[in-house]
Amino acid sequence: DIQMTQSPSSLSASVGDRVTITCRASQSIYTYLNWYQQKPGKAPKVLIYSASSLQSGVPSRFSGSGSGTDFTLTISSLQREDFATYYCHQSYFTPQTFGQGTKLEIK
Amino acid sequence: QVQLQESGPGLVKPSETLSLTCTVSGGSISGYYWSWIRQPPGKGLEWIGYIYDSGRTSYNPSLKSRVTISVDKSKNQFALKLNSVTAADTAVYYCARVGPTGNWPLDCWGQGTLVTVSS
Repeated sequence: DIQMTQSPSSLSASVGDRVTITCRASQSIYTYLNWYQQKPGKAPKVLIYSASSLQSGVPSRFSGSGSGTDFTLTISSLQREDFATYYCHQSYFTPQTFGQGTKLEIK
Repeated sequence: QVQLQESGPGLVKPSETLSLTCTVSGGSISGYYWSWIRQPPGKGLEWIGYIYDSGRTSYNPSLKSRVTISVDKSKNQFALKLNSVTAADTAVYYCARVGPTGNWPLDCWGQGTLVTVSS
C-alpha cells in the first residue's frame, strides 16, 4: 500500500496565522492527491483536489501545491471555523489511502 | 444538490454480516463511481472500495475476501456487505461520490453511520 505521511500530526495556531501542512507519499502519485477537512462528528469535506484545484465553494484562503511525492496544504489566514482535522488522500493506487491526519487546534 | 444517506443496523454480532445501504438523492447514480470509507472511533480514514454504475468494482485488498459492494440503479442506491465481522470492524461507515472532475476526489459524503460489532 502507498503510505501517506502527514506532518505535523497536530498543530496549535492563532486566528490570522498562515499554516502549512505537508503530506508525503511513499512513491509518486503524480497529482492524484486530495485534501479534506473534518470537524468532530461530521463527514470529511473536500477542500483541494488534484493537488492544487480549489473545490467549488471553498474559501480562497485554502491552497494546495505539489506533485510526485511531496504536497502541501496552506491556509493563508486562519479563521475560527478552520480549526479541524485535515487529511490527505491519494487516489492513484489501489487501495486508495489517507494520511493519518493533522489536528489543527486553537493556540 | 446531491445528498447521500447511509442506513442499516447500528449493532452487528461478531461473525455475522454487516449490511449498509447508501441512498442517493438530488441526482442520478448513473455515470459516477461510488465509494465506501470507514473510520474507527478516534482514528483515521480507511478506503473500503468503489463501484461504478455498470457494476464494476474495486476493493481494498485487506478486506477483499469479506466485502461486496453492489448497485441498484432502479432505487438510486448502492450497498456494502462485510461478512465475518469482528470488533476491529467497529467504525463510522461513510458512503461518498467520486467527483466528476479531477483526480478522483470524494466530493460528496453521507453523514456517516456508526456500526458497532458486539455480542
